Amino acid sequence: GAGVSQSPRYKVTKRGQDVTLRCDPISSHATLYWYQQALGQGPEFLTYFNYEAQPDKSGLPSDRFSAERPEGSISTLTIQRTEQRDSAMYRCASSRLAGGGEQFFGPGTRLTVL
Amino acid sequence: SQQGEEDPQALSIQEGENATMNCSYKTSINNLQWYRQNSGRGLVHLILIRSNEREKHSGRLRVTLDTSKKSSSLLITASRAADTASYFCATDSGTYKYIFGTGTRLKVLA
Repeated sequence: GAGVSQSPRYKVTKRGQDVTLRCDPISSHATLYWYQQALGQGPEFLTYFNYEAQPDKSGLPSDRFSAERPEGSISTLTIQRTEQRDSAMYRCASSRLAGGGEQFFGPGTRLTVL
Repeated sequence: SQQGEEDPQALSIQEGENATMNCSYKTSINNLQWYRQNSGRGLVHLILIRSNEREKHSGRLRVTLDTSKKSSSLLITASRAADTASYFCATDSGTYKYIFGTGTRLKVLA
């Protein structure tokens, strides 16, 4: 695609519900990153994929968070049993090279947990 | 946790002036990147500098890297109102886990 897209752009959910966020990276980009960004702060690393492999998920806050990229293109980030502290902007980025280089960011998904 | 810290946290200058912001980090790096973010929108890549490079230019941007001091600076020359944004540095220690700093909020007054 022309750029990185994310859906939904906004998600409001009630505490305890599961949510799934989607990222559609630039086609042919090898690497895909997920970040969490609080207001006024820089993005915080959650996890990344090289194609379908997930070499590092050390940034996921708890086992309620999981991510997939089964075919090496589209990725989903799932948060189970959401809590209010999960409210944040979730950003996806892709990079042409495997494991590094310039990142192209999507517009983000604003998650609000009530 | 965030490895990088930008300094200053906020900067306000007049159009036409130069803006300098600094980034300090804690561990050895492979490369360092600078990104711009306008009003909470998506981040845009500005420049990448590798650990064996000391200076890089791109248009009105000049980036320096001092690995002995674990610091980098971003200079924007002849600033414009459109440069108003938050600027972040991001470091890679070779694990491809990019760590972003806390950001400098730049305001350029017309």
